[in-house]
Amino acid sequence: AQSVTQLGSHVSVSEGALVLLRCNYSSSVPPYLFWYVQYPNQGLQLLLKYTSAATLVKGINGFEAEFKKSETSFHLTKPSAHMSDAAEYFCAVNRPGSARQLTFGSGTQLTVLP
Amino acid sequence: DAMVIQNPRYQVTQFGKPVTLSCSQTLNHNVMYWYQQKSSQAPKLLFHYYDKDFNNEADTPDNFQSRRPNTSFCFLDIRSPGLGDAAMYLCATRASGSSSTDTQYFGPGTRLTVL
Repeated sequence: AQSVTQLGSHVSVSEGALVLLRCNYSSSVPPYLFWYVQYPNQGLQLLLKYTSAATLVKGINGFEAEFKKSETSFHLTKPSAHMSDAAEYFCAVNRPGSARQLTFGSGTQLTVLP
Repeated sequence: DAMVIQNPRYQVTQFGKPVTLSCSQTLNHNVMYWYQQKSSQAPKLLFHYYDKDFNNEADTPDNFQSRRPNTSFCFLDIRSPGLGDAAMYLCATRASGSSSTDTQYFGPGTRLTVL
């Protein structure tokens, strides 16, 4: 079964510092992987996705993620954190089959310190 | 702009009083999903529609029902809300087919409070 594990339920960084949010996946087939961001009392917004094309994926708001099959990882990074990046981040994998349901990780709350 | 709309954004109901949450979309996507997200947790899929075909997750309680009268609209009915049903309810859509990007587009959610 497809699943993702996010290491660290809370991550704090200083403004301008590197952001690194960790996600490891388990999948019996080549996965499609996603990172979503959720601001308080809002829905989920897609940051980026991996669909077996390029292993380094660039997303919105300066975020990127690298798919590493050998490490079964899809970590999210941003070179320089901004205060507006403070939010909850979810890694997700979709199940094979026509419905392509998403299975989410438990989420990482990112705090950006001034 | 094409989008996913959820109404109302905030809903308060009483214990045991039926409630309906609404989702509409202008994306013309054929797949629609309902998720439940409790505080500080990940979204959990309740069910989805693939076109008109309804698909329930195995662990979705019978208390939750859904209707999709047409492509644009989907409703979540909670027949007898309990205190444990207080959560954010998220609707999402996706286009299927060979040109699909596999991306789900989410609405802003409805926060349900049960008194």
